[in-house]
Amino acid sequence: IAGITQAPTSQILAAGRRMTLRCTQDMRHNAMYWYRQDLGLGLRLIHYSNTAGTTGKGEVPDGYSVSRANTDDFPLTLASAVPSQTSVYFCASTPTSGSTDTQYFGPGTRLTVL
Amino acid sequence: GQNIDQPTEMTATEGAIVQINCTYQTSGFNGLFWYQQHAGEAPTFLSYNVLDGLEEKGRFSSFLSRSKGYSYLLLKELQMKDSASYLCAALDSNYQLIWGAGTKLIIKP
Repeated sequence: IAGITQAPTSQILAAGRRMTLRCTQDMRHNAMYWYRQDLGLGLRLIHYSNTAGTTGKGEVPDGYSVSRANTDDFPLTLASAVPSQTSVYFCASTPTSGSTDTQYFGPGTRLTVL
Repeated sequence: GQNIDQPTEMTATEGAIVQINCTYQTSGFNGLFWYQQHAGEAPTFLSYNVLDGLEEKGRFSSFLSRSKGYSYLLLKELQMKDSASYLCAALDSNYQLIWGAGTKLIIKP
C-alpha cells in the first residue's frame, strides 16, 4: 500500500441499505477527513479525525458516522442510505491537524443510491 | 459566511497562458491552496500561499493578495495534459479547508 486506499471504487446501493466506505493510509498521518464531491459544489467535509480515538463533525455530517480505532483506518458508514447521498466520496489525510499541511487524497468511491 | 468564488469553466489554447482567479471570504485566514483534479481522479496539490506575492513553480505560478481576498493560478505553455479542474481552497482560523467548486479548464489544440 502506498498513500491512501479506498474501497470500493464504486457501488450502486438500494435506498435504506447500510453501507461502509473504507479508507486506509500507510503514511502514519494523524489527521484524516471524509469529503463528498457533487457537481457544481466544492468538496464538503463530512467528518474528520484529528488523531486516533477522536472524531468530529464537518459541514454535512447528517446521515453519516465514522470511527477511528487506529491511525491507519477511517471508515465512513451510511446507516440507511438515501438518494441524496449519491456522490463521489474522498478520504484525505494530513500529517498533523490544526496546521497548514497539504491534504493527500485517496482515489475516491463513486456511490449511487437508488 | 465563508465563501470561495472561482469561474466554472475556462477555455484556452495549447501553448498559451491562462489565469484562473479565486476570491475568498473566510473566518480568519491561514493560507490558500490550489489543487488540480483530472476527471475521475483525486485532487492533487499544486501550491500553497500564505504571504502576499507570487510563488513560481515551473510552468505554474500562484499569487495571493490577503488584503483583497484574492488569488490566481497562472499556467504557462499550456499542454493538453493540463486539461483538468483547478480547485481553490482557503484555510480558515480553525485550519479547516473551505473549497471552491473548481474551474474546469479546457485546452484546445
